[in-house]
Amino acid sequence: GQSLEQPSEVTAVEGAIVQINCTYQTSGFYGLSWYQQHDGGAPTFLSYNALDGLEETGRFSSFLSRSDSYGYLLLQELQMKDSASYFCASPRVEAGTALIFGKGTTLSVSS
Amino acid sequence: NAGVTQTPKFQVLKTGQSMTLQCAQDMNHEYMSWYRQDPGMGLRLIHYSVGAGITDQGEVPNGYNVSRSTTEDFPLRLLSAAPSQTSVYFCASSYTTGEDSPLHFGNGTRLTVT
Repeated sequence: GQSLEQPSEVTAVEGAIVQINCTYQTSGFYGLSWYQQHDGGAPTFLSYNALDGLEETGRFSSFLSRSDSYGYLLLQELQMKDSASYFCASPRVEAGTALIFGKGTTLSVSS
Repeated sequence: NAGVTQTPKFQVLKTGQSMTLQCAQDMNHEYMSWYRQDPGMGLRLIHYSVGAGITDQGEVPNGYNVSRSTTEDFPLRLLSAAPSQTSVYFCASSYTTGEDSPLHFGNGTRLTVT
């Protein structure tokens, strides 16, 4: 089978740093992507890790460790607008780009 | 560019009715897909297409049909609607079928089956 596990909820305050973890079980792992979805909106692409290590894009960073079957999304200098759901995703083994998503982590940022 | 356009935005159906959810993209994307999103379930892949004339099943294909006669359009057909198909449906496309090609999502169709 193929699945991605992530926490259902995370809370933090403005200005803080939060890490959203994603662990996966798959017979043939490719890369790991992250998407953001605001309430009622469409998911939008945040980042993609093809190889082990850290990728940084502004306040957001994403990390991948293939040996540990683990990745995370790191959000720094949190703002209220970062309150959203975050999904990790990886390609379906049988089907190239067809992404399989985790169930999502709801991040609530308070002042 | 409009990106990925889904119609309608909202739809209410009675059990047993059929309908087609429309999806069109104007980015000349090779890959298109349909997901459904239910509370606490994330996004589950229904069907996908790697190019015109080619479609394949995803994780939850039962009760749905698709076709890809053009690069731009990828309609999703509900053959006989059931309450279990009440969901938010997202169409997504990407430039290539490579795993590093980000998905672009439409704004979704909110479907209620009574």
